[in-house]
Amino acid sequence: DAKTTQPNSMESNEEEPVHLPCNHSTISGTDYIHWYRQLPSQGPEYVIHGLTSNVNNRMASLAIAEDRKSSTLILHRATLRDAAVYYCTLDPTGNQFYFGTGTSLTVIP
Amino acid sequence: DTGVSQDPRHKITKRGQNVTFRCDPISEHNRLYWYRQTLGQGPEFLTYFQNEAQLEKSRLLSDRFSAERPKGSFSTLEIQRTEQGDSAMYLCASSPQMNTEAFFGQGTRLTVV
Repeated sequence: DAKTTQPNSMESNEEEPVHLPCNHSTISGTDYIHWYRQLPSQGPEYVIHGLTSNVNNRMASLAIAEDRKSSTLILHRATLRDAAVYYCTLDPTGNQFYFGTGTSLTVIP
Repeated sequence: DTGVSQDPRHKITKRGQNVTFRCDPISEHNRLYWYRQTLGQGPEFLTYFQNEAQLEKSRLLSDRFSAERPKGSFSTLEIQRTEQGDSAMYLCASSPQMNTEAFFGQGTRLTVV
């Protein structure tokens, strides 16, 4: 399985930027990097994905290292609603995601 | 369209009973996925369909697990002879094509007593 490694937990102050790291040293050339987040008792919610280039959308930015062995999800201004478990996942076939244990983000008011 | 719908949301069953869960994907999404999630873990991929074809099922946890998507629309996941270890959240997701975002339902929480 395509493996990812994330810190178990992180904290951020409200309205400050948050950088959530992910290591995926065994990534192959065709693996897309996806980020999802999950609130308690809900299904995961898509955040962003990319292959090689950095990506921006209305929710976040994704910075992908040049060697693609790591990536960082950037939330530009954390809000209380951003408190969730964030999963960095690889999608080697375009058809299935391999989730790790994720990073639990706490946002401090 | 209100997203991916799963039914039931909660199911309590006695060990040894069979259970079936239903997933209604977003209309026109031809890809449908099933995942299992246990407490404190990320979702674990089980199987996926492209239209009515089940293209990956080697990760179904045992031969007690089976899934169908007979007309390429809704899907069912059946667990036969349930065991306590089957207690988990079962998640369904759909996507319009490969390498795009997947939309997850809210899951079916199974408790085997």
